[in-house]
Amino acid sequence: AQKVTQAQTEISVVEKEDVTLDCVYETRDTTYYLFWYKQPPSGELVFLIRRNSFDEQNEISGRYSWNFQKSTSSFNFTITASQVVDSAVYFCALSALFGNEKLTFGTGTRLTIIP
Amino acid sequence: DSGVTQTPKHLITATGQRVTLRCSPRSGDLSVYWYQQSLDQGLQFLIQYYNGEERAKGNILERFSAQQFPDLHSELNLSSLELGDSALYFCASSSLAGALSSGANVLTFGAGSRLTVL
Repeated sequence: AQKVTQAQTEISVVEKEDVTLDCVYETRDTTYYLFWYKQPPSGELVFLIRRNSFDEQNEISGRYSWNFQKSTSSFNFTITASQVVDSAVYFCALSALFGNEKLTFGTGTRLTIIP
Repeated sequence: DSGVTQTPKHLITATGQRVTLRCSPRSGDLSVYWYQQSLDQGLQFLIQYYNGEERAKGNILERFSAQQFPDLHSELNLSSLELGDSALYFCASSSLAGALSSGANVLTFGAGSRLTVL
């Protein structure tokens, strides 16, 4: 069975601060994908990143960075110099790597950026 | 616009009623997924179809059913509605992409259908 844990239910930071969202996963699969999705107040789910289990390199995209550590089964997401537009619920998710499998989502972290 | 179209956007109905939610996947996507998002349960996977066939089943109640039609659009039917069925129902689609290709397993979500049962 697959499980994704996002222990932080809600986080509030002041604009321009850095913030890290934690994600811990469990799976019996030896190959898998990890994802982050963003759900802004408007409600839609927006894909941010996909990582496969072979590749533990950290990834940076603008103010966003992701730290994948297989040894601790974690896939953390850092926003640098946060902005009000980053306010949203962020979901971490997991799927098997082969076969167009469904995603298993964590419970989400609600991030509020205070201007 | 994600390319996944869900209708209706909002729906208010009474307990005991039946509703149908509709989803048109992105052009070229063969897989359709239905998820339910409620405050207490989070994002729960309901069911997946691939090219018209049921592929995977999650926490879908017996009162709920779905199908994918030859034109690849999908419908989720919810019957004998209860107050607890009030939720945001998402449809997502994905392409048939080889493992490790750029599109593999990336779900594109629609805007959701918000169901309120009174």
